[in-house]
Amino acid sequence: QVQLQQWGAGLLKPSETLSLTCAVYGGSFSGYSWGWIRQPPGKGLEWIGEINHSGGTNYNPSLKSRVSILVDTSKNQFSLKVTSVTAADTAVYYCARGRRSGDSTAVDSWGQGALATVTS
Amino acid sequence: DIQMTQSPSSLSASVGDRVTITCRASQDISNYLAWFQQRPGKAPKSLIFGASSLQSGVPSRFGGSGSGTDFTLIISSLQPEDFATYYCQQYYSYPRTFGQGTRLEL
Repeated sequence: QVQLQQWGAGLLKPSETLSLTCAVYGGSFSGYSWGWIRQPPGKGLEWIGEINHSGGTNYNPSLKSRVSILVDTSKNQFSLKVTSVTAADTAVYYCARGRRSGDSTAVDSWGQGALATVTS
Repeated sequence: DIQMTQSPSSLSASVGDRVTITCRASQDISNYLAWFQQRPGKAPKSLIFGASSLQSGVPSRFGGSGSGTDFTLIISSLQPEDFATYYCQQYYSYPRTFGQGTRLEL
């Protein structure tokens, strides 16, 4: 049973960089996609982006210029960076694993979530 | 971007009830549709992928159907732990998009 354990975020000031890391335990790292999803307080889910098994990335255009997702296969970890944060980036951030479904990937496992609060 | 619209936004039901939640995509997404359950203060849980396939460990009272633009999540007999918010998501194209959520209340 795969487990995703994430850490990082916390309290940030406007213009700082948000950093999160997600470690994968109990499952293969290869053959899956690895992504991030966020949820502002009291609101719905927003897809941020993902990196696939080949290292290719896809990002939400609404965030694309500020987001990067990287993988460290030697540690079975992947990370998220969001630059130039504002109050609108305040949210719980979830890491997630995508499993092959047809010609695409569907999320089948989630991290526990990490709150990022942006305030001056 | 593909818009996902769920209905209803909230729903009151009782233990043992059969519940149906619908999700409509703004364009054809074939069967690239997933459903998630989120209990208050918890991470989402994956329920269904491919519109109708249950994720491992998901009880059989959950079922999904649909293809193209119209999809349905059915809970055949509500249990106390099923009172939560449910989201659909399309993974047919980028960016992935979610429905706004359906809050299932007692």
